[in-house]
Amino acid sequence: DVKVTQSSRYLVKRTGEKVFLECVQDMDHENMFWYRQDPGLGLRLIYFSYDVKMKEKGDIPEGYSVSREKKERFSLILESASTNQTSMYLCATLPSLAANYEQYFGPGTRLTVT
Amino acid sequence: SQQGEEDPQALSIQEGENATMNCSYKTSINNLQWYRQNSGRGLVHLILIRSNEREKHSGRLRVTLDTSKKSSSLLITASRAADTASYFCAPNFGNEKLTFGTGTRLTIIP
Repeated sequence: DVKVTQSSRYLVKRTGEKVFLECVQDMDHENMFWYRQDPGLGLRLIYFSYDVKMKEKGDIPEGYSVSREKKERFSLILESASTNQTSMYLCATLPSLAANYEQYFGPGTRLTVT
Repeated sequence: SQQGEEDPQALSIQEGENATMNCSYKTSINNLQWYRQNSGRGLVHLILIRSNEREKHSGRLRVTLDTSKKSSSLLITASRAADTASYFCAPNFGNEKLTFGTGTRLTIIP
């Protein structure tokens, strides 16, 4: 079974702090994604990566950056956390860019910025 | 927007009854996927239906797809308390991205 883990289930940070959210997968999947989920807005794609050191912006990349130095690890970075980045953050992986594959999600990190 | 839109937003039924959720989308798809999310957790993939399929079953789940109407439905039969969750449809338009709607929140009343 694919296992996708996220470094923290709950995180509380202060405004202006630099925040790192880590995602690790154990199934050698090429593609990894970061979403945020907010009430009434559903899941929105922040960034995704289709290979090591490769990344593409999603729908809402402003205020975020990402890093993928190793295939199994995809990090989401909030350079200077703000209260409007309080959200549930979900990491996902995808085995192939070919069609007809499902995404595998981590358990999520609920981030609160005060 | 290319996201799927689920309907209804919320649904409460008695345990043992069937639950039906619907999804609509606007442009041609390659496939459509359904996911479940238990409160405060990650999403779990339930079923994928390809654009050339009309119906698919998995245990107590039945998914239909009508590409002419650009809609899909998820039926959960003989519901259980453990089915209480949010359900999301995610149309795939032929690339690596999925777009998720706001989901249907299903509550099963024991």
